[in-house]
Amino acid sequence: NAGVTQTPKFQVLKTGQSMTLQCAQDMNHEYMSWYRQDPGMGLRLIHYSVGAGITDQGEVPNGYNVSRSTTEDFPLRLLSAAPSQTSVYFCASSYSMGSGNTIYFGEGSWLTVV
Amino acid sequence: GQQLNQSPQSMFIQEGEDVSMNCTSSSIFNTWLWYKQDPGEGPVLLIALYKAGELTSNGRLTAQFGITRKDSFLNISASIPSDVGIYFCAGPPSGYSTLTFGKGTMLLVSP
Repeated sequence: NAGVTQTPKFQVLKTGQSMTLQCAQDMNHEYMSWYRQDPGMGLRLIHYSVGAGITDQGEVPNGYNVSRSTTEDFPLRLLSAAPSQTSVYFCASSYSMGSGNTIYFGEGSWLTVV
Repeated sequence: GQQLNQSPQSMFIQEGEDVSMNCTSSSIFNTWLWYKQDPGEGPVLLIALYKAGELTSNGRLTAQFGITRKDSFLNISASIPSDVGIYFCAGPPSGYSTLTFGKGTMLLVSP
């Protein structure tokens, strides 16, 4: 997990609140992504970015926004939190999106929406 | 979207036993990746496979890229308690650039 830093580690939100999960990597990776992990569902892609200024939707993008103003940072924003967004969130990065590139994960952010 | 079927969902074994798990897809994959997730941590890459038929080892772990390109296998020999965790298969399906993950195999090892 070295090189990908997520904050906060734990967060409790009330329904309707907004917040931003921060992600930073110091490996000069072009590709960054956000996943959510729910019991029995594995890891599902929310949004991804292939470089600064470029973002795209993954499998489950609704309720989340992202931006990529720098190579290092890829924040995930919850605009109006819902209980269905209670999950563990992982940020990941890799040198590029090519199939031969190792993806490195952060340590996760545990989010509870009440 | 693309789906990976991973089995078994969970395993509870005795220390020293060998373990096998697999991952199948209805689509062709160009790369197969196997990750392990320790409790409270993010997934960490164990083995990456890049061509059909490839067999790769990492210590007690061995993984194979199926010749049909629609499946992959992970074997752990002589399991130890620190092997406990969730094992995920993943890969970019042919024609796609993002990763698809299986739902994971939870491994519990009894001392």
